[in-house]
Amino acid sequence: GDSVTQMEGPVTLSEEAFLTINCTYTATGYPSLFWYVQYPGEGLQLLLKATKADDKGSNKGFEATYRKETTSFHLEKGSVQVSDSAVYFCALGDPNAGGTSYGKLTFGQGTILTVHP
Amino acid sequence: DADVTQTPRNRITKTGKRIMLECSQTKGHDRMYWYRQDPGLGLRLIYYSFDVKDINKGEISDGYSVSRQAQAKFSLSLESAIPNQTALYFCATSETGQGQETQYFGPGTRLLVL
Repeated sequence: GDSVTQMEGPVTLSEEAFLTINCTYTATGYPSLFWYVQYPGEGLQLLLKATKADDKGSNKGFEATYRKETTSFHLEKGSVQVSDSAVYFCALGDPNAGGTSYGKLTFGQGTILTVHP
Repeated sequence: DADVTQTPRNRITKTGKRIMLECSQTKGHDRMYWYRQDPGLGLRLIYYSFDVKDINKGEISDGYSVSRQAQAKFSLSLESAIPNQTALYFCATSETGQGQETQYFGPGTRLLVL
């Protein structure tokens, strides 16, 4: 079945450091890929997404490129801020799945990011 | 106002008690989902509903039941709560249609079973 593997956390960085959180996936077909962010005490929010190979999703300075050849969707940001401290989830969805599988998301285990001033 | 709301936000209960967690949405979406979040395990799907008459089990449905009272309301029940159901529970919604997999989450309900 479909699965998502994220880089183990927690990740601790200083403000203005470069961030990479690795995400790889296993899926049949051509999934859409997502990054969700969970700020302390809140629910998950969509950060960015990509729906086909070589697409780049971007939002709030974060970027991720859908790499079909390496089945990866790594999250990057050039200069993190304290306000980026959160849990980040990679997820995949299969728009082409049939029946009751269609529309469901499979999540990775989450990566905790802490940014210090 | 939030598009997806959950009540209660926090709940403490005892082993063996029946409890209900409620979710309401104003997004007009047909699809609704219940997840639980445990440290290091990400989100795991409990139940999902693609419309009022369509309810499906997720990967960890044992010990849980759901009710879709209306398009906007989806409730999760623990018939007889046990300590390993202590977790953070999230409701989510999504649209129907090709490529519409983006899900929108409520703020969560933190449940402690003693």
